[in-house]
Parts: sequence; C-alpha cells; structure tokens
Amino acid sequence: AQSVTQLGSHVSVSEGALVLLRCNYSSSVPPYLFWYVQYPNQGLQLLLKYTTGATLVKGINGFEAEFKKSETSFHLTKPSAHMSDAAEYFCAVSRLDDKIIFGKGTRLHILP
Amino acid sequence: DAGVTQSPTHLIKTRGQQVTLRCSPISGHKSVSWYQQVLGQGPQFIFQYYEKEERGRGNFPDRFSARQFPNYSSELNVNALLLGDSALYLCASSLLGAAGNTIYFGEGSWLTVV
Repeated sequence: AQSVTQLGSHVSVSEGALVLLRCNYSSSVPPYLFWYVQYPNQGLQLLLKYTTGATLVKGINGFEAEFKKSETSFHLTKPSAHMSDAAEYFCAVSRLDDKIIFGKGTRLHILP
Repeated sequence: DAGVTQSPTHLIKTRGQQVTLRCSPISGHKSVSWYQQVLGQGPQFIFQYYEKEERGRGNFPDRFSARQFPNYSSELNVNALLLGDSALYLCASSLLGAAGNTIYFGEGSWLTVV
C-alpha cells in the first residue's frame, strides 16, 4: 500500500529564508510524486511532479523538489521565502492510475 | 480554457438529507475523480471515472455514489448525510486517467451538515 508522511504540520520561516518541507513516501514500485499547494478557501494547485527522468524537479513559483529513491523522500524547497508562499502544502503519490494518495499537509507560515 | 468547475460552491444540509454535487472537467479530459477533504486533513480519494466507467473507489460507504455523463461531466451523490460528511468535496480531471497524468482540481464544494 502507498502512503505519504509529511514531517511537521506547521512550518514557520522568515521572509527571504530557505523553505524546506519534508515528505517521505512508501510504495512497492517506483511512484509518481507530486506537491500541491492550497491557498485559503481554494482548491489544489499543482506545484510540481516527478514521473521519470531527472530527479530534481523544478516547479512553479520558484519551488523545486528532489526525488531520492534511497531515502524514499521528495522534499520541497525554495531558496527564498515570500509572504505570498503562506499556504497549505500537500505531498502526494500515485502509482498505477491517477488516483492520488495525499499526505496530511504542512501549513507554511512566513514571518516578516 | 475554463478549468474544472464545480457547483454549488457552498451548501448547508440537514442530517439524513441527500446532496448532489456537480463537476465539469476541463474540455477534452475524459477522467474525473472525486476527493473529500475534511478540515485539517489531506484530500481522500472517493471515486474515479473514465469514459463513463467507474475505475476506482476509495474506502467510503455505499451512501456515496457517483456517475459520469456522456459529456464527461460528473455528479457525486451522498445519501443519509451525517455530521461527519461535512467537508470540502474536490473534483479533479485529467486527460486519460493514466498514471503520472497531470490532474487539475476545481475550487471545491463546501458541504456543511447540521
């Protein structure tokens, strides 16, 4: 069975600081991995996804994530946080079809 | 092009009632999925439909049902509503419903059961 674990339900960073949101997955076969962002009272927006190929994936809004098979991780990073990055972030995995298994989410707070 | 559209955006129902939520996928997308997002949690998969056939079902009771129409739009029905059904219901569409496809979500329908 697939599952996703996001470390830290809340993460606070100062504006301009590095953003690091952690995600570990379990899957019996190589997975497809996603990061979605959800702003208050809105639906989900895809930030980036990993399917095959290059393990460093670049997404929108300056975010990127690296697929590390040996660590079963897919951590999300952004070099410099902006106030507009404050939102809920979900790591997710899918395998055989586009059914997605989501983590519980990490709320990112940006401190001025 | 319009994204995934859902209606209604907000609704309040009483315990025991029935509700129907509607979703129109992105033009050309043949796969529609439904997710339930309870406050403070990640979305949970309910159903996936592809070419009007149910392809997958999550761990939800039989009170939940769905269908997809020839124009690929979809409805989610929930009968005998419980307080615990209060959630954001998200519809998502993708082109082929295949692994790794980019999936696009709508803004969701907020259901409150009182």
